[in-house]
Amino acid sequence: GAVVSQHPSWVICKSGTSVKIECRSLDFQATTMFWYRQFPKQSLMLMATSNEGSKATYEQGVEKDKFLINHASLTLSTLTVTSAHPEDSSFYICSAMTRAYEQYFGPGTRLTVT
Amino acid sequence: TQLLEQSPQFLSIQEGENLTVYCNSSSVFSSLQWYRQEPGEGPVLLVTVVTGGEVKKLKRLTFQFGDARKDSSLHITAAQPGDTGLYLCAGEKAGNMLTFGGGTRLMVKP
Repeated sequence: GAVVSQHPSWVICKSGTSVKIECRSLDFQATTMFWYRQFPKQSLMLMATSNEGSKATYEQGVEKDKFLINHASLTLSTLTVTSAHPEDSSFYICSAMTRAYEQYFGPGTRLTVT
Repeated sequence: TQLLEQSPQFLSIQEGENLTVYCNSSSVFSSLQWYRQEPGEGPVLLVTVVTGGEVKKLKRLTFQFGDARKDSSLHITAAQPGDTGLYLCAGEKAGNMLTFGGGTRLMVKP
């Protein structure tokens, strides 16, 4: 149990376009999901906390108008990178929290902006 | 600056050797988790330690939580090539948010 999926697993887009990444909890409901960004050879940095039915809480320095988060259901959160630029290229990872407050991570989405 | 400092950052050892990875902080955490991450994949939870002084064993891996719940260590006995990966510690605070350490990249050579 406790499986989290992400889609797509990798995406290449042109500068200025928007990209949507989905995070799904497959066998449990998650009122809270988290979005992280990981640059090569670095650790995970929390971007935002996504709560079902309410606005996301963004970490300091993360632009909420650029990284749009929608937690529309108890099993789905989406991250949309708007007007992507090459510096947004990164590995984006989501996690979903179970009722026992354990976080399970998705496999990540590699975004490359050309 | 990292709230959680992991050391060493990189470690390359021969198969069969033992190693210890440290995770230190000046903050107190309600729990501390250890993950292993392979390239191109998400982190996989290895263990959660909650009580100060707690020791947990997972086959050849031994995890310890400091008495003051500010630090932790991961000890691997007789490392194998399959142990190669990025080891991450993460401290949990209010709101169930995790703060990750910088990671320790381990390579075990056959």
